[in-house]
Amino acid sequence: AQSVTQPDIHITVSEGASLELRCNYSYGATPYLFWYVQSPGQGLQLLLKYFSGDTLVQGIKGFEAEFKRSQSSFNLRKPSVHWSDAAEYFCAVGARQGGKLIFGQGTELSVKP
Amino acid sequence: EAQVTQNPRYLITVTGKKLTVTCSQNMNHEYMSWYRQDPGLGLRQIYYSMNVEVTDKGDVPEGYKVSRKEKRNFPLILESPSPNQTSLYFCASSFQGPNSNQPQHFGDGTRLSIL
Repeated sequence: AQSVTQPDIHITVSEGASLELRCNYSYGATPYLFWYVQSPGQGLQLLLKYFSGDTLVQGIKGFEAEFKRSQSSFNLRKPSVHWSDAAEYFCAVGARQGGKLIFGQGTELSVKP
Repeated sequence: EAQVTQNPRYLITVTGKKLTVTCSQNMNHEYMSWYRQDPGLGLRQIYYSMNVEVTDKGDVPEGYKVSRKEKRNFPLILESPSPNQTSLYFCASSFQGPNSNQPQHFGDGTRLSIL
């Protein structure tokens, strides 16, 4: 069955510290991979996506993610977290064709001053 | 301004009373989709539409209906709502589906409470 797992429900980091949010997926073929961010009371905004090619992808707001096929992972990273990064982050996978999109459970990020 | 507009933003209603949540986009997008968001479950796709008159089930379509009679609108219909449909609902749109180079645009959400 197709699924996305974000093992960490809640993470707290200090401002200025590095961040890594984990995402593992189960999919029959190589999917398209996404990270979205949801600020409190807001809809979702796309941070970055992986379709093919370079397995390290850069996104907005200084985020990057690395696709590791052997580990079925697509972890999100940021070298230095800002207080404004506090939000909920969702990993998602989609088929290469069609309109289905499967989200993970989300990871809530808190940032300590 | 490019946007996805959902109405209503909040609704409290009772079991069995039919309701419709509207979704409209002004970007001439072909693809539209509905999701529900529940704590600990993330977002789950209810229905999506690749184009006018084309709709497909997502992962949790039971209890919901949709229609896509025109490109800009994609209403979500709950014919006989039940308390387990209490949730936060999001509509989204994009040019060619979530797996194109263009990102999905999300609405601000509709919070439904069914008593």
